[in-house]
Amino acid sequence: EVHLVESGGGLVTPGGSLRLSCAASRFSLSNAWMNWVRQTPGKGLEWIGRIKSKPDGGTIDYAAPVKDRFTISRDDSENMLFLQINSLRTDDTAVYYCCGSDFYDGSGYNFDYWGQGTLVTVSS
Amino acid sequence: QAVLTQPSSLSASPGASASLICTLRSDINVGSYRIHWYQQKPGSPPQFILKSRSVSDKQPGSGVPSRFSESKDVSANAGILVISGLQSEDEGDYYCMVWHSSAWVFGGGTKLTVL
Repeated sequence: EVHLVESGGGLVTPGGSLRLSCAASRFSLSNAWMNWVRQTPGKGLEWIGRIKSKPDGGTIDYAAPVKDRFTISRDDSENMLFLQINSLRTDDTAVYYCCGSDFYDGSGYNFDYWGQGTLVTVSS
Repeated sequence: QAVLTQPSSLSASPGASASLICTLRSDINVGSYRIHWYQQKPGSPPQFILKSRSVSDKQPGSGVPSRFSESKDVSANAGILVISGLQSEDEGDYYCMVWHSSAWVFGGGTKLTVL
């Protein structure tokens, strides 16, 4: 069974930085299209960005509102995915999920696998 | 105006059918988009249900019951997730999602109550 585990969340003061990690088991992140999605407390989902699989070039795309402060990366040797967040703001408070798939179903890669999420709280 | 708009809540009875609506912004055509649907239960991450672009272009998620289907209302510019034979376990939040302007965009979600 595929397992994704996020870590690195916590309480951060505004203006600070944080690096979130996503560890995968029974699943090769280098062969997957992986995403970061966040969910604010009691509210909806927001896509942050994605990294394509290594065979597909490893291209990284970001949502426009976050592209200047968020950086997605991957360590293929460790089978880890990362999200670096800088200049944190109070409205960045959310649960952050990594999700993705290594299966192309003919029309794209779905968000088949999700971690349980890691909570980031930005507060002074 | 948001790209995707969903009613905030919907209630339906066990055994009945529920239609969860995802309306696209008026300047974009539902016929041109593949709409993805996700279900989320309290305390859990979302789970992929299905995606559809047309009658002949549908992909269900792994293990998703056939009670879940999708259709489009072209006149309303909306995608519709239909859940038939509602069960208590179908309660949760449902989100639609599309790829628009080089980004994945979620609707605000509909909370489905089965009572």
